[in-house]
Amino acid sequence: AQTVTQSQPEMSVQEAETVTLSCTYDTSENNYYLFWYKQPPSRQMILVIRQEAYKQQNATENRFSVNFQKAAKSFSLKISDSQLGDTAMYFCAFMSYQAGTALIFGKGTTLSVSS
Amino acid sequence: DVKVTQSSRYLVKRTGEKVFLECVQDMDHENMFWYRQDPGLGLRLIYFSYDVKMKEKGDIPEGYSVSREKKERFSLILESASTNQTSMYLCASSLGTQGGDKAFFGQGTRLTVV
Repeated sequence: AQTVTQSQPEMSVQEAETVTLSCTYDTSENNYYLFWYKQPPSRQMILVIRQEAYKQQNATENRFSVNFQKAAKSFSLKISDSQLGDTAMYFCAFMSYQAGTALIFGKGTTLSVSS
Repeated sequence: DVKVTQSSRYLVKRTGEKVFLECVQDMDHENMFWYRQDPGLGLRLIYFSYDVKMKEKGDIPEGYSVSREKKERFSLILESASTNQTSMYLCASSLGTQGGDKAFFGQGTRLTVV
């Protein structure tokens, strides 16, 4: 069975600084997908970034980028130029390659951005 | 954009009541999911459905059942609510034609069982 581990329950950062959230996972599959989701206080889950395991290039979305290390089964999220609106809970998630499977989530990291 | 609508944002029920949590999506998605979110535990999968009238148990199905009679609607049923089912419930849907589909979430139902 796949597992996702987020070892940092809480993190804080100042506006404009860079922060990295950690995620490790365990799977015996070779092809799969990894995601970072953001849940602000409004509770609406928002997809931040998606990585396909068979692509070596790290995914980026504006200020958000990942460091995907397949051999180490590590998938960290880097947020550059942090903004107050980045304050949220962040979840790392795994999904198998085949269709019709569910996301498996880590326990989340609460990120607080202060001015 | 896809809209996933959960029928209630907040709900208070009594122990032993039968509770229905409703979820509707408007984009003809094949897959629908119910998760439970608790502090320190993240999101845990209760049930999911990859087609009408099809369902699969997730990690924590005990005490829950589901119904999917129509493609757009996925209901979570608590047959006899208990206080340990007090939680946030999140519904999600995804296209389902291939792996790695983006999942869209509802705004959650915070259920309190007293």
